[in-house]
Parts: sequence; C-alpha cells; structure tokens
Amino acid sequence: DGGITQSPKYLFRKEGQNVTLSCEQNLNHDAMYWYRQDPGQGLRLIYYSQIVNDFQKGDIAEGYSVSREKKESFPLTVTSAQKNPTAFYLCASSKRSGNEQFFGPGTRLTVL
Amino acid sequence: QKEVEQDPGPLSVPEGAIVSLNCTYSNSAFQYFMWYRQYSRKGPELLMYTYSSGNKEDGRFTAQVDKSSKYISLFIRDSQPSDSATYLCAMSGDGGSQGNLIFGKGTKLSVKP
Repeated sequence: DGGITQSPKYLFRKEGQNVTLSCEQNLNHDAMYWYRQDPGQGLRLIYYSQIVNDFQKGDIAEGYSVSREKKESFPLTVTSAQKNPTAFYLCASSKRSGNEQFFGPGTRLTVL
Repeated sequence: QKEVEQDPGPLSVPEGAIVSLNCTYSNSAFQYFMWYRQYSRKGPELLMYTYSSGNKEDGRFTAQVDKSSKYISLFIRDSQPSDSATYLCAMSGDGGSQGNLIFGKGTKLSVKP
C-alpha cells in the first residue's frame, strides 16, 4: 500500500534534549513537508523540501532542523532551542508541481 | 484580517442532516482549494480538491467555490455519525508545492445518532 508513515506515534522528551521524528513515504512524491498543529491554531509549516538535498524554512522553523538525503525520507529534529515543542507534528508529501498534500498519521510530542 | 477564516464550531447536527461548512479568505490570488477531514489524533485526509470557481461533487460531499465572494463551502448530505471529525479548508495561489498552502483552523463537527 502506498502512503506516508511517521514514527513514533507518541514521543516524550526531557527539556534540553534533541529528538528526531521520522517520516517516510512510498508515493514517489518529490515534495515533503512538516507541519505543527496546536489546539486552536491550525497547521503551521515548519520546513518543506521540493527535491533531495534541498529544503526551505516555513513560517516557524526556529528550533527545528531537517535533512533530505533520500527522496522517501524527511526526518525532523526538534532541538533544545525550540521553546515550546509540545505539539502534534504532521508530515505530508505531494507531487512536485501538485497541490494536493497527503498526510501521515502524526507524532505527538510531549516535553516532560 | 487573517488570510483564511473558518468558524471553529463545534457544530452539532442530527444524523441525516445536511451540513454546510464554510471558509472565507482575503487573498484574491488563491486558485486551488481543498477540504481535509481529520479524526481525533489522526492525520488530515484529503476529501475534496477544486481549482478556481464552481462545484465539485463526490458521493455525499459537494465542494463549492465562489471566488467573487472569496467564499468556499463543503456540503455533506445525509450526514452520518462517522462524519464526526474536524474539517479543515486549505488553499493556495500557486499550487502549494512551494510551501504556500494556507489552512483554516478547522471546524469540529459532531453528528448525533
């Protein structure tokens, strides 16, 4: 089955730690995205990548980092510099010139 | 004025009702319009995708775009308890693949048996 997988589903982090969220897709999509979703705030774009080895900052990139070494994978690292990291993180992908973004199941990150 | 406005609800209707969900927007450059359904603690699922103005129908769902009024709607006919979810509208001017997809905050819908 084609789709997007995210792992883990739940993640707990102590303050001061970096954590990495995994996102993999087998849809053969060129573009991939990371969003953050907070209650009452909608989806906010963190980073996106249109092609391997290239990525762009979104609206709220501070405290986050990404890499795009393979077409299928777009991991997100939440660094200790992110002041309020507790949120629901969503990965999405689309065709490079396409408008329809398809989402993974999400990772819920909680800072203890 | 925010780029995309969406009434957060919650909206509660009886089973079988016709549901109308709406978004307004301010950017006249928007041409691509999408509706997503998001169940609690899950990722959004693309329901409808339309380009420019007009209507699009898919089963019990109809998406409507009125660019002159900067207003889009999603109608759900014969609503079912399984339709209970949060509905997000999304739109862009250039297609969204450059990270320019703008989302509404979502409307929470509850369909009561």
